[in-house]
Amino acid sequence: GAVVSQHPSWVICKSGTSVKIECRSLDFQATTMFWYRQFPKQSLMLMATSNEGSKATYEQGVEKDKFLINHASLTLSTLTVTSAHPEDSSFYICSARTGGMETQYFGPGTRLLVL
Amino acid sequence: GQNIDQPTEMTATEGAIVQINCTYQTSGFNGLFWYQQHAGEAPTFLSYNVLDGLEEKGRFSSFLSRSKGYSYLLLKELQMKDSASYLCAAMDSNYQLIWGAGTKLIIKP
Repeated sequence: GAVVSQHPSWVICKSGTSVKIECRSLDFQATTMFWYRQFPKQSLMLMATSNEGSKATYEQGVEKDKFLINHASLTLSTLTVTSAHPEDSSFYICSARTGGMETQYFGPGTRLLVL
Repeated sequence: GQNIDQPTEMTATEGAIVQINCTYQTSGFNGLFWYQQHAGEAPTFLSYNVLDGLEEKGRFSSFLSRSKGYSYLLLKELQMKDSASYLCAAMDSNYQLIWGAGTKLIIKP
């Protein structure tokens, strides 16, 4: 149980394009989903927290107009990196938890490379 | 402020035992998590402690002392596949995880 999937696992795109990453909870309803970013050899950095049906809460320094988060259902959240630039290249990881469950379960991550 | 401290790197020998320590300071406390992260992969859940004491799960055990703001992850009978980063995270009063920077564990034959 508690399986989280992400799609795609790898994205290579040109600078200026937008990229959408999907995060799905496969066997539970995720009332809360989290989006993290991790640069090589660095720790996880929380970007935003999203609760189903409401606007995401962004961490300080994360541009909400650049990283659009939608959590429209209890099993799906999307992160759209708008007008991606090379400095956005990173490992993006989502996690999910359901009400009454403290543990966050992580998706496998999405590697984004912006050329 | 909120803070998690854990060693940056540790080295141990295959077959041995290693203890990875973590100290935390958070606004409120709703539990302590340990995750394992292999290079290039996402973290996977190892353990959750909210009460004082030792929780054993196979070769891995996790200990918590709430009064000391201290936890450790104990790995026994180390295998080469245990080479990974181990992340300590404390949950604050808002149920948000405060992450440590991770401890890179290197296993030598």
